[in-house]
Amino acid sequence: AQSVTQPDIHITVSEGASLELRCNYSYGATPYLFWYVQSPGQGLQLLLKYFSGDTLVQGIKGFEAEFKRSQSSFNLRKPSVHWSDAAEYFCAVGNYGGSQGNLIFGKGTKLSVKP
Amino acid sequence: DTEVTQTPKHLVMGMTNKKSLKCEQHMGHRAMYWYKQKAKKPPELMFVYSYEKLSINESVPSRFSPECPNSSLLNLHLHALQPEDSALYLCASSQAPRVTSTDTQYFGPGTRLTVL
Repeated sequence: AQSVTQPDIHITVSEGASLELRCNYSYGATPYLFWYVQSPGQGLQLLLKYFSGDTLVQGIKGFEAEFKRSQSSFNLRKPSVHWSDAAEYFCAVGNYGGSQGNLIFGKGTKLSVKP
Repeated sequence: DTEVTQTPKHLVMGMTNKKSLKCEQHMGHRAMYWYKQKAKKPPELMFVYSYEKLSINESVPSRFSPECPNSSLLNLHLHALQPEDSALYLCASSQAPRVTSTDTQYFGPGTRLTVL
C-alpha cells in the first residue's frame, strides 16, 4: 500500500532563510507526487506536482521540489522564505489502484516564520 | 481557471437540523470529491463521484448524504449530525477519476462546520 511520511510536524525558520520540508513515500513504481499548502482556515492550494521526467520540479510562489528515487523522497525547498509562507504543507501521493484516483496525504508540516 | 467554489463558508447547526453544503466547478472536470479535515490533521476522503455517479464511499455514516445533480455541482446533505462531525469540509475536482499524468485535484476553500 502507498504511504507518505512527513517527519517534521513543525518547523520554524527566519524570514529570508532557506527552507526544506521533507517528504518520504512508499510505493513500488514511480509515484505521482504532490505538494499542497494550506493557510489557516483555507482550502488546499497546489504548489507543484511530479509525474515523470525532470526530477527537479518548479512550482508556484518560488517553491521547487526534487524527486529522488533512491531515497524515496520528494522534498520541498525554497531559497528565501517570506512571512506569508507560514502555513501547513502537505505532501501527497496519487493512489491509482483500480479505476478511481485519490490522494494519500502525509500528516503535514506546519511552517512558522520568524521576523 | 482552476477554481472550485464552496458555499457556505461557515455553517453552525444543531444536531436536529438538516443542512446542505454546495460545491461548484466549471473546469469540465468529471471527478468530484468530498474530504473531511479535522484540526491539525490531513484531509480524509469521504466520497468520490465519477461521471456524476458515486464511485467511492469511504464508510461514511449515513447522516452524510452526497448528491451530484450534474457534472458541475456537488452537494453534501447533512442530517442529525454529532458534535464530533465539526470540521472543515473540502470539495475537490479533477479532470478524470483515475490519477493520470494530466490529472490533478483542485480544492475549494472549504466549509467550516460547527455542530452544537
